[in-house]
Amino acid sequence: GENVEQHPSTLSVQEGDSAVIKCTYSDSASNYFPWYKQELGKGPQLIIDIRSNVGEKKDQRIAVTLNKTAKHFSLHITETQPEDSAVYFCAAWGTALIFGKGTTLSVSS
Amino acid sequence: EPEVTQTPSHQVTQMGQEVILRCVPISNHLYFYWYRQILGQKVEFLVSFYNNEISEKSEIFDDQFSVERPDGSNFTLKIRSTKLEDSAMYFCASRPSRGGDSPLHFGNGTRLTVT
Repeated sequence: GENVEQHPSTLSVQEGDSAVIKCTYSDSASNYFPWYKQELGKGPQLIIDIRSNVGEKKDQRIAVTLNKTAKHFSLHITETQPEDSAVYFCAAWGTALIFGKGTTLSVSS
Repeated sequence: EPEVTQTPSHQVTQMGQEVILRCVPISNHLYFYWYRQILGQKVEFLVSFYNNEISEKSEIFDDQFSVERPDGSNFTLKIRSTKLEDSAMYFCASRPSRGGDSPLHFGNGTRLTVT
């Protein structure tokens, strides 16, 4: 089955800096790669997704890139703000949506 | 915006007892899921459900677990004889279509504490 690896597990940045989180997946048949943000006490909330026929997608300060050949995808957050502090999960759709282990992002002002 | 709702938000039960976790998926969604998150760990797939049948299940979803859609709106997860290691957040999710590119929408979870 699908296996998703995510790095780093923790990431601390200063407000205004960029943050990058990287994931790899194992199943070459996977074709959908969402990113979720989880705040304390809440469920995962979809922030951006990318499909396998697209190499990059951007939504305001958030962008995701996908390299299908290398089987890796990344989340880029620019101009980080304290409210970006949360746990971020990448995921890949195999026969079900399989999550990475999460990255705890801390943005200090 | 429509959302997935889960009740209760927190359930405390004694080891060996049965618990039922309840979910109301988004109304026009057809595919339903349960995930589990042990404190501080990743979100783990348990089971997917469509057309009143289990579509996929993980190795975590053993005989002590069952799912049901008892009516047109609710989707439940039953744990027959709870164990200490069942303590976790349980998330329900739904999506409108089967295609592997439609977003999965999650509820805010039920925190299950087994004592």
